[in-house]
Amino acid sequence: DTGVSQDPRHKITKRGQNVTFRCDPISEHNRLYWYRQTLGQGPEFLTYFQNEAQLEKSRLLSDRFSAERPKGSFSTLEIQRTEQGDSAMYLCASSSLGSEQFFGPGTRLTVL
Amino acid sequence: GIQVEQSPPDLILQEGANSTLRCNFSDSVNNLQWFHQNPWGQLINLFYIPSGTKQNGRLSATTVATERYSLLYISSSQTTDSGVYFCAGDTNAGKSTFGDGTTLTVKP
Repeated sequence: DTGVSQDPRHKITKRGQNVTFRCDPISEHNRLYWYRQTLGQGPEFLTYFQNEAQLEKSRLLSDRFSAERPKGSFSTLEIQRTEQGDSAMYLCASSSLGSEQFFGPGTRLTVL
Repeated sequence: GIQVEQSPPDLILQEGANSTLRCNFSDSVNNLQWFHQNPWGQLINLFYIPSGTKQNGRLSATTVATERYSLLYISSSQTTDSGVYFCAGDTNAGKSTFGDGTTLTVKP
């Protein structure tokens, strides 16, 4: 296994458009996490899944954001009606239960 | 939620010097980790250290869980050590909270 992968690596979109990001975790990991990182800050937690169940969502995750992990494997994060404030690096991580998290390379979103 | 404070925010060293980075938590945490973020944004795992001391080459880390802090030691620093170092921990085995990082610059 080569680690956590994310696609796309970069996304440029116009304000008001919808975007979707994909994360493929390490295959044996049952937990998957999404974070957002803006310049000069540490990553901020958005949500996490245990298998296919979404167990916690941050207040940062407005109604325009939705995440799914339908079969307990890969996950998607969709942002509807993007705003310039959504521009950030979106990071995905995975872990086994109660263990260290491993991060993917991130998707850098730019909203024009 | 918990607060994570990292110090110093910025650190400039000459190659070969040693350094200590600190991470304080406002509450007891589980699954404490140290990361190095490379210039492309990838978070590289350095240590998974809920308690105790670990060493990996020139790097070592110590976590004193009862006093809610962790230290990262870098010895004989090299220019390739430059970058941002983050610590993170969670209180309920799910939502990890990160500090704002320490930006290390190692000059040749």
